[in-house]
Amino acid sequence: DVKVTQSSRYLVKRTGEKVFLECVQDMDHENMFWYRQDPGLGLRLIYFSYDVKMKEKGDIPEGYSVSREKKERFSLILESASTNQTSMYLCASSSPGQGNEKLFFGSGTQLSVL
Amino acid sequence: GDSVTQMEGPVTLSEEAFLTINCTYTATGYPSLFWYVQYPGEGLQLLLKATKADDKGSNKGFEATYRKETTSFHLEKGSVQVSDSAVYFCALRPYNNNDMRFGAGTRLTVKP
Repeated sequence: DVKVTQSSRYLVKRTGEKVFLECVQDMDHENMFWYRQDPGLGLRLIYFSYDVKMKEKGDIPEGYSVSREKKERFSLILESASTNQTSMYLCASSSPGQGNEKLFFGSGTQLSVL
Repeated sequence: GDSVTQMEGPVTLSEEAFLTINCTYTATGYPSLFWYVQYPGEGLQLLLKATKADDKGSNKGFEATYRKETTSFHLEKGSVQVSDSAVYFCALRPYNNNDMRFGAGTRLTVKP
């Protein structure tokens, strides 16, 4: 089975901590994405990457950064966590091009910032 | 920018009822349109898609038709089951881009 794996299902951090959320896919996909999911707001795109070492800002990049040193791994970094970053974080991957638009999602990381 | 708007939930139906979840979009060019579903405790998964005007996507008894004239992609099912209880997300992929934009999600609960 193809897989997108997020390193933690639940995380609890304190305000001001640096937080790393890791995502690994085993499908050799070029595209990888980070979303956050909040009630009533749906999924909002934070960052995405088309290739190794490439990144693009999504709709809500403020307070976040990303790293893509290897094709299979896409990390989301909260430089200084704040309580308004408490959310469910979803990683996804896909292949580019017409006919390959399907996103494969991980199970999500529920982050609580206290 | 490109975006989708879907009807707010939650939606509660009895088993075998007819389901419609509305979705409209704003986009330049010709986006691809999707419905994703998230069952309790699981990640999102693709339910169906349509890549051009008048295309109909279908899967598991669900259908949605890409209507350019009304910029809509409404999800329908003729007879829902308890196992259809989930959150449904309408999504759009812009024509010249690889990212995906999602609606707010609609929670469906089907009661026996």
